[in-house]
Amino acid sequence: NAGVMQNPRHLVRRRGQEARLRCSPMKGHSHVYWYRQLPEEGLKFMVYLQKENIIDESGMPKERFSAEFPKEGPSILRIQQVVRGDSAAYFCASSPRRQSEETQYFGPGTRLLVL
Amino acid sequence: QKEVEQNSGPLSVPEGAIASLNCTYSDRGSQSFFWYRQYSGKSPELIMSIYSNGDKEDGRFTAQLNKASQYVSLLIRDSQPSDSATYLCAGNFGNEKLTFGTGTRLTIIP
Repeated sequence: NAGVMQNPRHLVRRRGQEARLRCSPMKGHSHVYWYRQLPEEGLKFMVYLQKENIIDESGMPKERFSAEFPKEGPSILRIQQVVRGDSAAYFCASSPRRQSEETQYFGPGTRLLVL
Repeated sequence: QKEVEQNSGPLSVPEGAIASLNCTYSDRGSQSFFWYRQYSGKSPELIMSIYSNGDKEDGRFTAQLNKASQYVSLLIRDSQPSDSATYLCAGNFGNEKLTFGTGTRLTIIP
């Protein structure tokens, strides 16, 4: 069974460019969560999606950030016009059901470096 | 705002001893808690989950939850050097997203 897959694992962008991070959930999982981990800090929730729906985006910055989880294909976290402060590890997690007891399984992360 | 707090450490424990990691939270609503282990440069890996008051044991690991006092802890018995990592406490307060503490860095001294 493949786990949560993320790509790319490392991404380098110059200020002002766009970053696209992809996440494929575990087989059978229809709930996807994105978290960001700044250097030496804990993980912070960004957005929770189900297929074709954004359920909770309360952790997303109001500008430049967007997320989608289309009917077909991976979930995408898009950061437009990146700035140095966007440099962080971005983790995707998935779960099979919408219940607070459900474990979220994390992917390997995408480490974004903005030059 | 729901908060989860942990001692950032670092916590050093001799090999073979018991490591005790603690976490407190501020919300009294529906709660589930999860302990994740994160090695440097890697992703969080689930160690234990706990939903009910009391203890839950899995091998060398025991999670404890006390909802009245709003704390959750993780005990690691017979600590091994491979247990050296950052341990993240996370709560799900009924809204599906996980709220993480800042993590406790644990070092097991051979």
